[in-house]
Amino acid sequence: DSGVTQTPKHLITATGQRVTLRCSPRSGDLSVYWYQQSLDQGLQFLIQYYNGEERAKGNILERFSAQQFPDLHSELNLSSLELGDSALYFCASSIDSNSNEQYFGPGTRLTVT
Amino acid sequence: QQPVQSPQAVILREGEDAVINCSSSKALYSVHWYRQKHGEAPVFLMILLKGGEQKGHEKISASFNEKKQQSSLYLTASQLSYSGTYFCGTEFSGSARQLTFGSGTQLTVLP
Repeated sequence: DSGVTQTPKHLITATGQRVTLRCSPRSGDLSVYWYQQSLDQGLQFLIQYYNGEERAKGNILERFSAQQFPDLHSELNLSSLELGDSALYFCASSIDSNSNEQYFGPGTRLTVT
Repeated sequence: QQPVQSPQAVILREGEDAVINCSSSKALYSVHWYRQKHGEAPVFLMILLKGGEQKGHEKISASFNEKKQQSSLYLTASQLSYSGTYFCGTEFSGSARQLTFGSGTQLTVLP
């Protein structure tokens, strides 16, 4: 158990819908990262937050957005969902924004039908 | 740019050694190694920083060749528990602290 929690574990929704994925980092960690893992794309970095502020942005679609709240939990919002958005979404946390080990949560499996 | 991992897959017997390579066409600041078992989250193994030393963790160690922008993960006397997919994640010099992961190396250790 990494100490990072993610909810929900599974999500099944229809195309065009909007969903919110939630992540709580390990106690004491200030940085949160979001990743998308699909069979054909591998593990793709989406976005990083550090202490409530956006720190780095990867291949995140405009339909996706995220935020980190004062209590350091983070939410990833996915809207206008397409079939291709079906994937495993991981949240990871680290102690700060430098090159430290990242601890991954168990992931949310999103299926868009 | 995504780092290139090789081999794509390897099958070993318990007790055998394996080497997994990760190379980049861009200058690297650091290389991170993770292992992911089927249906589970990636688990951190180690980080190698530019100018840093070779790291080791029990029978798993890694090196970072800054000149060649390459890292290698060495698994010695492999155990059944080493089975999984190994990913290298690279941070590029001058970029924000984001990891670009390779496509993974699937390692299977047989009894």
